[in-house]
Amino acid sequence: DTAVSQTPKYLVTQMGNDKSIKCEQNLGHDTMYWYKQDSKKFLKIMFSYNNKELIINETVPNRFSPKSPDKAHLNLHINSLELGDSAVYFCASSQLQGADGYTFGSGTRLTVV
Amino acid sequence: KQEVTQIPAALSVPEGENLVLNCSFTDSAIYNLQWFRQDPGKGLTSLLLIQSSQREQTSGRLNASLDKSSGRSTLYIAASQPGDSATYLCAVKYSNYQLIWGAGTKLIIKP
Repeated sequence: DTAVSQTPKYLVTQMGNDKSIKCEQNLGHDTMYWYKQDSKKFLKIMFSYNNKELIINETVPNRFSPKSPDKAHLNLHINSLELGDSAVYFCASSQLQGADGYTFGSGTRLTVV
Repeated sequence: KQEVTQIPAALSVPEGENLVLNCSFTDSAIYNLQWFRQDPGKGLTSLLLIQSSQREQTSGRLNASLDKSSGRSTLYIAASQPGDSATYLCAVKYSNYQLIWGAGTKLIIKP
């Protein structure tokens, strides 16, 4: 199946821990994104990588660090997790230039306790 | 400032009705506009993508229109079914780097 897949689907962890979320796309897109959806369901862009190069870096705590080993993968590492980091994190991909739309992964529900 | 607004925020209708969801945007210089649906606890599913040069797109019972001059898009759902219950999101692409989201319309179709 052509898709954006992210793992894990659910993540429950204690405050202060470090965790990673992985994302992979097999659509041949050159750009990948991380979005955060908070409890009010608002989607906020966090990061975007185009061909492994960071192109969008919104105001996000530097505890969040994206890593793109190649254009098909974009991982999100979070250090020293806080209660306020609890949210659903979505990975997405698209072609930066051109008419294609965005394809989203199914989300990772992170709960910090 | 580029903003996307979706009205209404929530809508509840009986099964079988035709309905319209609205999306308005403040800047008409868009690349494209995409409608998504999100089911509770699930990811976003792309429904329709309209390019700036297009007026409408259709997929099954869904029809999305685009009027750039008035800054509006509508999503028309014909013969609604309980399975259509979800949150519908509108996203406007302004450039290679900007995708602006509406807050969504939560739709409930009553059997």
